Amino acid sequence: AQSVTQLGSHVSVSEGALVLLRCNYSSSVPPYLFWYVQYPNQGLQLLLKYTTGATLVKGINGFEAEFKKSETSFHLTKPSAHMSDAAEYFCAVSEKGKSLPLIRDYKLSFGAGTTVTVRA
Amino acid sequence: DAGVTQSPTHLIKTRGQHVTLRCSPISGHKSVSWYQQVLGQGPQFIFQYYEKEERGRGNFPDRFSARQFPNYSSELNVNALLLGDSALYLCASSYYNEQFFGPGTRLTVL
Repeated sequence: AQSVTQLGSHVSVSEGALVLLRCNYSSSVPPYLFWYVQYPNQGLQLLLKYTTGATLVKGINGFEAEFKKSETSFHLTKPSAHMSDAAEYFCAVSEKGKSLPLIRDYKLSFGAGTTVTVRA
Repeated sequence: DAGVTQSPTHLIKTRGQHVTLRCSPISGHKSVSWYQQVLGQGPQFIFQYYEKEERGRGNFPDRFSARQFPNYSSELNVNALLLGDSALYLCASSYYNEQFFGPGTRLTVL
């Protein structure tokens, strides 16, 4: 079974400072990993995803994440925070389907989320 | 292209009532998943349907049920509502490795 741990439920950064959100996962199979952002009263928007290949993944809005298998981590970073980055961020891992077709878009297991506030 | 749409956007019910939530996937997507997001928590998987068949169920009681129609839209039904069912219900349609989420239905149970 998959599980996701996000370290830190709240992160506060100054505008222009580095944003670092931590995510560790457990998975019995090679994981597919995702970061989603949620603005107040809205659904989830995909920031980036790792499936296979290059371990450094670039996403939208200047975010990137690095898959480190040895550390079972998928931390999200952005070099310079902007006020518009204030939101809640969720790390998720997908589980491989158990029946044919073995689609990989089977259920997502989410972390508890990290709320980011940006100080002017 | 239109994204995932959900209706209604907000809903208020009382304990013991029944509710039906609706979801229309992105055109061409054959898989629909439902998630429950309680305030302050991450979404929890409820169901996934693919080609009108249930492919997975999360750890939710039998009061929760769903179905998918020939046009791939989906309904989530919850019977005998409890206060703890108050949450944002998210629908996602998926294509290969990615799930696309709708804006959700905010259910309040009084």
